[in-house]
Amino acid sequence: DQQVKQNSPSLSVQEGRISILNCDYTNSMFDYFLWYKKYPAEGPTFLISISSIKDKNEDGRFTVFLNKSAKHLSLHIVPSQPGDSAVYFCAASDSSQKLVFGQGTRLTINP
Amino acid sequence: DADVTQTPRNRITKTGKRIMLECSQTKGHDRMYWYRQDPGLGLRLIYYSFDVKDINKGEISDGYSVSRQAQAKFSLSLESAIPNQTALYFCATSDLGLAGGRINEQFFGPGTRLTVL
Repeated sequence: DQQVKQNSPSLSVQEGRISILNCDYTNSMFDYFLWYKKYPAEGPTFLISISSIKDKNEDGRFTVFLNKSAKHLSLHIVPSQPGDSAVYFCAASDSSQKLVFGQGTRLTINP
Repeated sequence: DADVTQTPRNRITKTGKRIMLECSQTKGHDRMYWYRQDPGLGLRLIYYSFDVKDINKGEISDGYSVSRQAQAKFSLSLESAIPNQTALYFCATSDLGLAGGRINEQFFGPGTRLTVL
């Protein structure tokens, strides 16, 4: 039973445009959400996070939006750059502080 | 220098063999984790340890065991490897946070690609 779902295995976006990656969760006890980025042959690296007391968190070109009523979060990348091409994982945490990951979305930025 | 290192980076083994994957960290974190990544399934937690004397099973611990030899070292063992344990394995660490406060960010090693024939 997948508690965190990323329903798009892949996404292709033109350089300079906005990339929107989506994530849904089912466990209402999750109260902290993170996005990780993974390049081939490397481990995932932390990108941005959001607490459930907020609905938006911004860091440079990256913004995460949280809609608790819909149990949905999204990562916006504006403008998209070729170096953003990677696999993106969303993850969720509750008071146990363990992370539950989604399946990942492969983002390709086309020149 | 990498803060979280994993050895070996690649390993091919045969069914029934015992294999150990090792993880070391220089971040000074108390908490360490082992995950496996499979295509279409994301990362799944195998075992985790919140300090040297604390070991906990994760979502998919069957067929695996771990040892926390020191704060900086956390090893994952497959006692008798089977082909469906072919995967990418990641070690991760995290800190406790200020005054025991909540920190959720985990720092990952580069991964070990394991193939069981």
